[in-house]
Amino acid sequence: EDQVTQSPEALRLQEGESSSLNCSYTVSGLRGLFWYRQDPGKGPEFLFTLYSAGEEKEKERLKATLTKKESFLHITAPKPEDSATYLCAVPFQGAQKLVFGQGTRLTINP
Amino acid sequence: SQTIHQWPATLVQPVGSPLSLECTVEGTSNPNLYWYRQAAGRGLQLLFYSVGIGQISSEVPQNLSASRPQDRQFILSSKKLLLSDSGFYLCAWSVRTSGFTDTQYFGPGTRLTVL
Repeated sequence: EDQVTQSPEALRLQEGESSSLNCSYTVSGLRGLFWYRQDPGKGPEFLFTLYSAGEEKEKERLKATLTKKESFLHITAPKPEDSATYLCAVPFQGAQKLVFGQGTRLTINP
Repeated sequence: SQTIHQWPATLVQPVGSPLSLECTVEGTSNPNLYWYRQAAGRGLQLLFYSVGIGQISSEVPQNLSASRPQDRQFILSSKKLLLSDSGFYLCAWSVRTSGFTDTQYFGPGTRLTVL
């Protein structure tokens, strides 16, 4: 069964303290891995798509990387406004359906 | 640019009452459309997806149904709500292409509470 696991479930950092979030997957024949940010009470906001091992993408303080079995979302010198739940997702049973991980709830304290 | 709307934003309904949630997309044609549910503290669960008018695929057996009466309109319905239907309902769209999976873009969501 295709699965997506995110760790840790929750992460609390001080402002400026860099760290990484993990997304591991067991789907075969990866056809993309997606990262989203979700603020409380809002819909997920698209961040990145990664398609092949070794690929990296950056946006402000975030950088996403991909290997054959997992993806990392690195956050460098975070600010309180980076506090959110970060979700990753991979396609399964074809190209058009996504399975999501449970998310990592990130809190940045000032 | 593309925009996705959902309404209502918040809804409180008694058990056994009907439900109709609406989602519309602007600025694109022939999108794939999706309904997800997010229970408190849990991940997103795909409920339905549609690749065209009248074409609906159901992912989870339940008392919910979906319809797509127009190209950019997607409706989630129920004849009789259950307590377990409470949650945050999200609509999403993606470009309809073949090959690699296309990015899904989400709407603002509807918070449904069934009492």
